[in-house]
Amino acid sequence: GENVEQHPSTLSVQEGDSAVIKCTYSDSASNYFPWYKQELGKGPQLIIDIRSNVGEKKDQRIAVTLNKTAKHFSLHITETQPEDSAVYFCAARGSYIPTFGRGTSLIVHP
Amino acid sequence: NAGVMQNPRHLVRRRGQEARLRCSPMKGHSHVYWYRQLPEEGLKFMVYLQKENIIDESGMPKERFSAEFPKEGPSILRIQQVVRGDSAAYFCASSLSGTGGQGEQYFGPGTRLTVT
Repeated sequence: GENVEQHPSTLSVQEGDSAVIKCTYSDSASNYFPWYKQELGKGPQLIIDIRSNVGEKKDQRIAVTLNKTAKHFSLHITETQPEDSAVYFCAARGSYIPTFGRGTSLIVHP
Repeated sequence: NAGVMQNPRHLVRRRGQEARLRCSPMKGHSHVYWYRQLPEEGLKFMVYLQKENIIDESGMPKERFSAEFPKEGPSILRIQQVVRGDSAAYFCASSLSGTGGQGEQYFGPGTRLTVT
């Protein structure tokens, strides 16, 4: 089955800095890669996704890149703000069930 | 436009009791997924259902756990004779379709089950 590795497990940045979270996957059949943000006590919220026919996608301060050859994808957050503090999960999906990474706890210090 | 609804938000059960978790998908969504999340871990898939059908239950323990998504009403995840190891957050997600461009999953707020 699919295996998704996510790094780092914790990321601490100053407000205004950039944050990068990286994931690797094992199944070359995976073709859809969503990213979720989970705040304390809440459910995961889909923030951006990318499909295998695209190398990069941007939405305001968030961008995701995908390297299918190397089987890795990354989330980039620019100009971080304290409200970006949360746990971020990557996932890889081939058919209909995504496999999730273990999460990255992002802390943005004011 | 309500999102995915789950209730109860918190549930406390003694060992041996039954737990019933409910999930109402987003309006128009007919695909429902249940996940379990342990502290500081990712989401683990349990079961995927469409109306009245279980599509994939490969992530759900064979004993004590069952799920349904009836024609009318919410999806139910049922845990019989709960044990301490069942304590976790259980999340439901829904999607418009199973795959392809409308297969994005949207999550509910979760039910936090505590077994004492």
